[in-house]
Order: sequence, then C-alpha cells, then structure tokens
Amino acid sequence: GAGVSQSPSNKVTEKGKDVELRCDPISGHTALYWYRQSLGQGLEFLIYFQGNSAPDKSGLPSDRFSAERTGGSVSTLTIQRTQQEDSAVYLCASSLHRGMNQPQHFGDGTRLSIL
Amino acid sequence: AQSVTQPDIHITVSEGASLELRCNYSYGATPYLFWYVQSPGQGLQLLLKYFSGDTLVQGIKGFEAEFKRSQSSFNLRKPSVHWSDAAEYFCAVGAQGGGADGLTFGKGTHLIIQP
Repeated sequence: GAGVSQSPSNKVTEKGKDVELRCDPISGHTALYWYRQSLGQGLEFLIYFQGNSAPDKSGLPSDRFSAERTGGSVSTLTIQRTQQEDSAVYLCASSLHRGMNQPQHFGDGTRLSIL
Repeated sequence: AQSVTQPDIHITVSEGASLELRCNYSYGATPYLFWYVQSPGQGLQLLLKYFSGDTLVQGIKGFEAEFKRSQSSFNLRKPSVHWSDAAEYFCAVGAQGGGADGLTFGKGTHLIIQP
C-alpha cells in the first residue's frame, strides 16, 4: 500500500494477556518509529528502528514492552502481561532514512483496550 | 531534553475566520519543528516542517507557520478556516543524536469550527 499500515486497528483484551501489534512501513523506508497516545500522557515516543536495529530502548515504558523488526520492514510491538494503564492508541511511523530532516509518516494506529 | 507547549487546549473559530495556534518549544540547539493534524480515528498527517532557512514556511491545506527564535515559537496560521479543518493539531520538535530520534509532541490543540 501507499501508506503505513497497522494491524489490528482495534484490540480488546483482558488484563494479564499478551498482545502483539504490527506495523508495515512504507516500502523503502529504512527508519521506523513507535509512539503511544493516551489521554493522560499525550503522544510519547517509545522506540525507533534503523533497519533491524533499535539503538535505544529507554523510551519503552517497562520491561513488559518489547519490539522487533525483521527484514528491514515489518515491526511488531509486544506487550506482555498487559495492565489497564497500557490502554492507549499505539502509532507507528516510518521515514525514508533516520534523521529529523526526514518527515515521519504515520499509520492510523492500533487502539488497545485492556479490560 | 526538548519540550513543546501548546497553551490552548481548545480553540473555537468561526468558519471563514483566521486562525492562529500557538506553539512554544524548548531546545538547546536549532530545532527541527513540525505541525501535524489528526482527525478522529486517524493517524497524524504532516502539515509543514521547519529545518532551516526562511522562517515562514508554507504547508498543505493553506496552512503556514513562522519560526521565531527570539520567542521560541512556531505558531501555525491559516487566513480562512473551513469546516473540514476541525481536528486536533500537534506541534512537535525533533532532535538528532544519542538515539533520540523520536519526536517530542505538545499536548495538542483541539480546533472547533463554528458555522
């Protein structure tokens, strides 16, 4: 497709379950970013990938969060043992290359609700 | 660390009237500045960006923004708003280096258009 694709668009799960969120960036984009958007915290940067490598994981909220990217394309954000405070919209973005002079193109997000 | 302040949580403007959304940033070097718009249930769309050069930048949908270093501001303007401009607007600042390639967003301004 032409844009960043995220799936699922909505996910409802019970507290304590694991969830996996997927991001398919724009073809040819080497940099990929994950953000979280919640009512209390606004938009928070979580992690970025250059190729398959994530140099800095300090933005992930806790050790229950992990992310990987394979083949320099699709990325998955995994949340283990979900908690209610994990409820948010998770946005993915991609850019042609790493760097702030490269505009980030966002997907429509995955709305995650933890019951 | 960089930060962004959008002082107005909500703004109501009559259709056809002019618009100015305020954004103040804090960053120790020359910032990369962005304005994004988000419609309900959708991701963020880039309106315009400033990296260097001319301090008045033009964007899509008739928007423009002016970078004022002395005021640490990057206000968004539009001469005449349309009902379709109703959305959430986010100002963001970017830094590079040290793995901090994510954008730092303001809390957003919700724009309401009155008929």
